[in-house]
Order: sequence, then C-alpha cells, then structure tokens
Amino acid sequence: DAKTTQPPSMDCAEGRAANLPCNHSTISGNEYVYWYRQIHSQGPQYIIHGLKNNETNEMASLIITEDRKSSTLILPHATLRDTAVYYCIVRTFYGQNFVFGPGTRLSVLP
Amino acid sequence: DSGVTQTPKHLITATGQRVTLRCSPRSGDLSVYWYQQSLDQGLQFLIQYYNGEERAKGNILERFSAQQFPDLHSELNLSSLELGDSALYFCASSVAGTDSGNTIYFGEGSWLTVV
Repeated sequence: DAKTTQPPSMDCAEGRAANLPCNHSTISGNEYVYWYRQIHSQGPQYIIHGLKNNETNEMASLIITEDRKSSTLILPHATLRDTAVYYCIVRTFYGQNFVFGPGTRLSVLP
Repeated sequence: DSGVTQTPKHLITATGQRVTLRCSPRSGDLSVYWYQQSLDQGLQFLIQYYNGEERAKGNILERFSAQQFPDLHSELNLSSLELGDSALYFCASSVAGTDSGNTIYFGEGSWLTVV
C-alpha cells in the first residue's frame, strides 16, 4: 500500500514555480522519498530522491521537512511539457519495489 | 531515453490467447521489474527479478509468468488472456545491490489490447 498522500490535481501557470506537496507521516528512518512523473501514457520518469537533506538536480528541487513527515517537489519554471502525473513514493534504499499511489495530476496552463 | 527497451510497443490479440512481452534492461542493471497499468487500477507492481532469480512478487495473476535470462533480458508471459488484461505493461530496471543507488528506470511500455 502507498504510504503517501498527495492532492489529486493542481494547476500551475506556465513560467511559474510548481510546488507539489506530499505527506508521508509514517515514514521510517531508513526510507527515502522518491519522485517520479508520468507524461500521458509514457513510462514513468525518475525526477529526484532524498533522505533528510534538500536535494536539487537539473529537473527539480526536493524540500523535506525537518521531521520528514512531508516534502515538496519544486519545478522552478514550469513549462507546458511538465504537465503530467507526479508520484511521491517512500521506500528503503534497497527496497524490493516501488508502490505507486494515484499521484498528483499537474496541469501547466499557458 | 531511459535505456530500457520494451517490445512490442503495441499488441492486439484475442481472448484466450497467449502473448510474450520482452524487456531489455539498461546496460549494467541486474534487476528487472514488471508493472501493469490499466485505466482503473493505476500502476501495479507484478514481479521483480534480480540476476535471473525471482526477488519479489506483487499482484501477479497465476496466468502470468515471467523469467529473466542469463543475458539479463526478461520476458513476461500472459496466457488465457481476458478482456480485463488489456493494459500498459511497463518494464523497469535498476542496478540493485550496490551503493550507487537503487533508482528504477522505466521503459516506454507495451500496449496490450485484448479483443
């Protein structure tokens, strides 16, 4: 079962930052937060993951609260091509499989 | 391009038939995962193989089976197909077992339509 809670949908204006929240209040100390996205019916695409510290890569930033019970994925300058379903997943580093919940459907509007 | 290759991309078959979906993992990846995505179920984990051995099993039906070969490619066999088996089937791969991370990377999927 998915261990995360995400809003079902969000809108964001093109060029603005998209902030996607994820609640994972039951996360344990050795579990990482991963983010994937799925554009239309393409294969899910890895975005970023983190344990405690904030992380940034060329795609996005991941902000994890100090108590690790929630996190936010930030797309700094959303484009129309960022319209997708975004999945937040928690799992151990060498966990057996990724459990996908329903995710957040992000619509970037022109 | 994730580096994970799946064939065929599209497949239409009749109920009761059997099909085989193929997956080539990224170079160097030892683990292969299979997922099913249908309209009403979302992404469902089916099974994982690591270096030829079954590692984890999810919601995989008994009519479905998989294997990973010595060259690390994997096949998902679906038999006695039913209309409800129509879905996107994704393969993913990961390095697994090293300290370089265990992020999984997905292929583009195989669309199966059962008529």
